[in-house]
Amino acid sequence: KAGVTQTPRYLIKTRGQQVTLSCSPISGHRSVSWYQQTPGQGLQFLFEYFSETQRNKGNFPGRFSGRQFSNSRSEMNVSTLELGDSALYLCASSLAVLTAYNEQFFGPGTRLTVL
Amino acid sequence: AQTVTQSQPEMSVQEAETVTLSCTYDTSENNYYLFWYKQPPSRQMILVIRQEAYKQQNATENRFSVNFQKAAKSFSLKISDSQLGDTAMYFCASRGSQGNLIFGKGTKLSVKP
Repeated sequence: KAGVTQTPRYLIKTRGQQVTLSCSPISGHRSVSWYQQTPGQGLQFLFEYFSETQRNKGNFPGRFSGRQFSNSRSEMNVSTLELGDSALYLCASSLAVLTAYNEQFFGPGTRLTVL
Repeated sequence: AQTVTQSQPEMSVQEAETVTLSCTYDTSENNYYLFWYKQPPSRQMILVIRQEAYKQQNATENRFSVNFQKAAKSFSLKISDSQLGDTAMYFCASRGSQGNLIFGKGTKLSVKP
């Protein structure tokens, strides 16, 4: 079974632009979560989608948004990019809606650099 | 709010030796899970081991084991017979009823030949 895939793997943008990252979960998984990883802040939860609905959201500004399609693939969008948005963005999928128990499987990440 | 603290930014160990990574957490929830994730230089995050808070028995996965001290809110990871492939960032994480993971800052482990 293929793992979680993320595209693109690397991305360079300039301040003020917007970017869309894509995540394809493991086949059969219906929950997709997004995390931002930076050297300063570490790993922080962005949001979770389940059955095309945002179920949970972390403490990020409205410039960060996401969506999930009927095939469970998810995209996240960052508008009006800032230098501080440079990070590794990790996607994780889970079989069912996230609870304390369900295991998440992570993708390789998309490295976003904002110049 | 849940918090996870890893007080050791970097550690090193000789191949075949044993190393323990520390983690403390804080949560007001009764039902929660604790995890150790490994992130090798290739960046793919991999689950190493997990512990259910209501289970008193410490989890073990081959060379990896945890020391879970619920009252002290401590959750350390012991790696026995360290191998070069264990070189990675190790993240301690907790998960409560909301489902999202709360990560510590990580410990960079280097296994030296």
